[in-house]
Amino acid sequence: TQLLEQSPQFLSIQEGENLTVYCNSSSVFSSLQWYRQEPGEGPVLLVTVVTGGEVKKLKRLTFQFGDARKDSSLHITAAQPGDTGLYLCAGASRAGNQFYFGTGTSLTVIP
Amino acid sequence: DVKVTQSSRYLVKRTGEKVFLECVQDMDHENMFWYRQDPGLGLRLIYFSYDVKMKEKGDIPEGYSVSREKKERFSLILESASTNQTSMYLCASSFFSYPEQYFGPGTRLTVT
Repeated sequence: TQLLEQSPQFLSIQEGENLTVYCNSSSVFSSLQWYRQEPGEGPVLLVTVVTGGEVKKLKRLTFQFGDARKDSSLHITAAQPGDTGLYLCAGASRAGNQFYFGTGTSLTVIP
Repeated sequence: DVKVTQSSRYLVKRTGEKVFLECVQDMDHENMFWYRQDPGLGLRLIYFSYDVKMKEKGDIPEGYSVSREKKERFSLILESASTNQTSMYLCASSFFSYPEQYFGPGTRLTVT
């Protein structure tokens, strides 16, 4: 059983389009992280969200933590080929001593 | 910048060989982790360590062991490699009470 479910699993869009990736769980997390992984490389941390309802922006990327701290979304505006990669969400347990990764969303942005 | 390095980017080993994967971090992080990543299965935690000489089993420890003799170094050992251990292996580190993990570039291991 996967604690964190990401959707969609695969996404292929044209440059300039907008997209949203979802990370859902039935569990409450003390914080949630988003990572991007390029082919053949390790994941790179993008952001951490901590407070229910929190919204963080990183240039064209907008991250939101659900009010109940069970889910999160990543919205990309005007996607570019450089956004191509595997997007992973990860949640920390309320005790802060366990970490769970989602299965990822593979994004391809076509020029 | 945090830097996590792994000893090899690509490794090819034969079935039954003993395999050592090394990971070094330069940020004085207490926690270190070993994951394997397979298509459709995501990242699965093999072992983690929160201090020198301390280790905890993750979700899939069978067939693996670890060693942490120094704070900056965490080694993953495959005692007798098998073909089902062909995978991408990722090392990560973090501060003790912080959830953000910093990953190395990964080692793609092929066992033939």
